[in-house]
Amino acid sequence: GAVVSQHPSRVICKSGTSVKIECRSLDFQATTMFWYRQFPKQSLMLMATSNEGSKATYEQGVEKDKFLINHASLTLSTLTVTSAHPEDSSFYICSARQGWEERETQYFGPGTRLLVL
Amino acid sequence: KQEVTQIPAALSVPEGENLVLNCSFTDSAIYNLQWFRQDPGKGLTSLLLIQSSQREQTSGRLNASLDKSSGRSTLYIAASQPGDSATYLCAPLPISGGGADGLTFGKGTHLIIQP
Repeated sequence: GAVVSQHPSRVICKSGTSVKIECRSLDFQATTMFWYRQFPKQSLMLMATSNEGSKATYEQGVEKDKFLINHASLTLSTLTVTSAHPEDSSFYICSARQGWEERETQYFGPGTRLLVL
Repeated sequence: KQEVTQIPAALSVPEGENLVLNCSFTDSAIYNLQWFRQDPGKGLTSLLLIQSSQREQTSGRLNASLDKSSGRSTLYIAASQPGDSATYLCAPLPISGGGADGLTFGKGTHLIIQP
C-alpha cells in the first residue's frame, strides 16, 4: 500500500514556542490530506482538512490561528502548532487520500508525539 | 453527523480463538468503510476496505462484512495470534462530503491475545 511519513516522530518543546510537523505522501500525490489529534486513551479526532493550493478547512472548535496548515505541494502538508501550551500535548497523526469515491483510501502516517513543558 | 460505535470496547482471549469485532455507524450514506489497527503509540495501519457495493472483503485471516443499510460492519479474525494484539478501528467514508471529508472514528476495540 501507499506510504505516508511524518517528521518528527517525537518532539519536546517549551511552552510558548512553535512546532512544525511535516506529513509526506512518499509514493503518490495527494491533493487532500487530513490532520488528526489523539489524546491518551481517546480516539482520533479530525482537526482539519488540508487542500493543496488552497486554505485548510478546520473542524469546529479547532483554532485556525493556532494550528497553521500549509499544503504547499501534492506530497507535503505541514502543521505548525503556534505558541504551544501544555494542553496541546498530544499525538498528531496525518493521513493522505488516494483514489476516488468507493475506491478512496486514506493512508495514515506514523504520528508525532508532542510534549509541551 | 456520523457517529461510530464499536463493540466490545475491550477483549482479552487466549490465542487460537476466532474473534468477532462489531462496528455500527449512524449515517448509512457511505462510499466505503475501512478497518484499521493501531499499535500503542503508533499510527494507523489499513487492514481492509469494503466498498459500499460489496458485502465482504478478505485478507488472510481477516474477513470484514458490511451491511450498509443497517449501518453495521463486522471484522472476523480467524485463529488469533499474540501479534494481533492492538486496537482495531473502523471508519466509514461519508458520501455527504463528496469523499473529501476526514474520517470519523469510534473508540475502537482494544484486543489482547494471550499466548
